[in-house]
Amino acid sequence: EVQLVESGGGLVQPGGSLRLSCAASEFTFSSYWMHWVRQAPGKGLVWVARINDDGSSTSYADSVKGRFTISRDNAKNTLYLQMNSLRAEDTAVYYCVRDLTGEDDAYWGQGTLVTVSS
Amino acid sequence: DVVLTQSPLSLPVTLGQPASISCISSHRLVHSDGNTYLSWFQQRPGQSPRRLIYKVSNRDSGVPDRFSGSGSGTDFTLKISRVEAEDAGVYYCMQGTHWPPWTFGQGTKVEV
Repeated sequence: EVQLVESGGGLVQPGGSLRLSCAASEFTFSSYWMHWVRQAPGKGLVWVARINDDGSSTSYADSVKGRFTISRDNAKNTLYLQMNSLRAEDTAVYYCVRDLTGEDDAYWGQGTLVTVSS
Repeated sequence: DVVLTQSPLSLPVTLGQPASISCISSHRLVHSDGNTYLSWFQQRPGQSPRRLIYKVSNRDSGVPDRFSGSGSGTDFTLKISRVEAEDAGVYYCMQGTHWPPWTFGQGTKVEV
């Protein structure tokens, strides 16, 4: 069964940094685009970042551009999100997602909560 | 950026009755490759989202056939033919035609 397991969330002060990881299993990780999508408490879904299958191309939401970096290690089947200069408005559950629009199932992880507060 | 507007935002439904959610896009969602990348996601309380429909009308594996998607251009609809208790949750449309960004609608809360 396909699994995506996020980790690395927690409480961080404004201006701080955090690195999220997403461990993928039971599918050919290197064949899929991957995304990070976040959801603030009680709010809707917001796309954050995307990386192509070999890691050569990335895209970001304007709200995180220049502060967040998406990357992947296909040898370790792991997706990352490096988050710097964190703000209170970055507080959310962060989900890693396999291929939002493709014909294969778009699997979501269970999410990891990031709380930015002093 | 493409804006997706869902209606209604709250939908009380009766078990066994049909339900319908509308998603209107600010831009036509036909890609240059001829596909229309409009998807629907379901998020049950306390759970991660799950995709139900991709490319307007294609059901993901394991999705009951009571769920159907339709539409074209800028107007899209998710229909549940006969609502069951497990269908309670929030439903989101999402476009992946004009990216970045990939954009979601505001969500529609279905209350059974």
